[in-house]
Amino acid sequence: GENVEQHPSTLSVQEGDSAVIKCTYSDSASNYFPWYKQELGKRPQLIIDIRSNVGEKKDQRIAVTLNKTAKHFSLHITETQPEDSAVYFCAASPFYNQGGKLIFGQGTELSVKP
Amino acid sequence: KAGVTQTPRYLIKTRGQQVTLSCSPISGHRSVSWYQQTPGQGLQFLFEYFSETQRNKGNFPGRFSGRQFSNSRSEMNVSTLELGDSALYLCASSPGTVGTGELFFGEGSRLTVL
Repeated sequence: GENVEQHPSTLSVQEGDSAVIKCTYSDSASNYFPWYKQELGKRPQLIIDIRSNVGEKKDQRIAVTLNKTAKHFSLHITETQPEDSAVYFCAASPFYNQGGKLIFGQGTELSVKP
Repeated sequence: KAGVTQTPRYLIKTRGQQVTLSCSPISGHRSVSWYQQTPGQGLQFLFEYFSETQRNKGNFPGRFSGRQFSNSRSEMNVSTLELGDSALYLCASSPGTVGTGELFFGEGSRLTVL
């Protein structure tokens, strides 16, 4: 069935270093891949997303890459800051950014040490 | 614009009871989806409603049900509660049409089953 695997489950970096989180999806029909950030005790919020017809997207210090052949997508955060500390969830959907149904990965707890 | 509002925020029930959770989406949003969040399973999709119709459904037992009203407000019901139903239940709203996929989450309803 539909499944998204996310690695690593925890990630600790020094402030200023880069962080990379990787996800693999199983459903070939997936065509929309968002990333959500959830700070402790708060609601998840979208930080970046990518559609299947795009290989890479960047927004300031955050970038996402997609390899459709390998069914693999990654989140890259450069120049990390303490406020980047949170749980990050990748997700996949076959509904081309229509909202609603997302299959989420298990989450990565990122800790940025000052 | 007011955000997504969920009530109640916290509730405690005992095994065998039932519970109803409510979600008021952002004004103008027609899609409401529900997710169960637990430490071990991450964010799991329950169902999505769009214009009062269930548009997508996850892999949860029939004890989990939902509905959407004409004003887009949604309720989910869990009958015959089990200990394993203890979780944070998040609802999310979006406009629900292609290209408008960002989900806006509420703060969640934390259910404890004793």
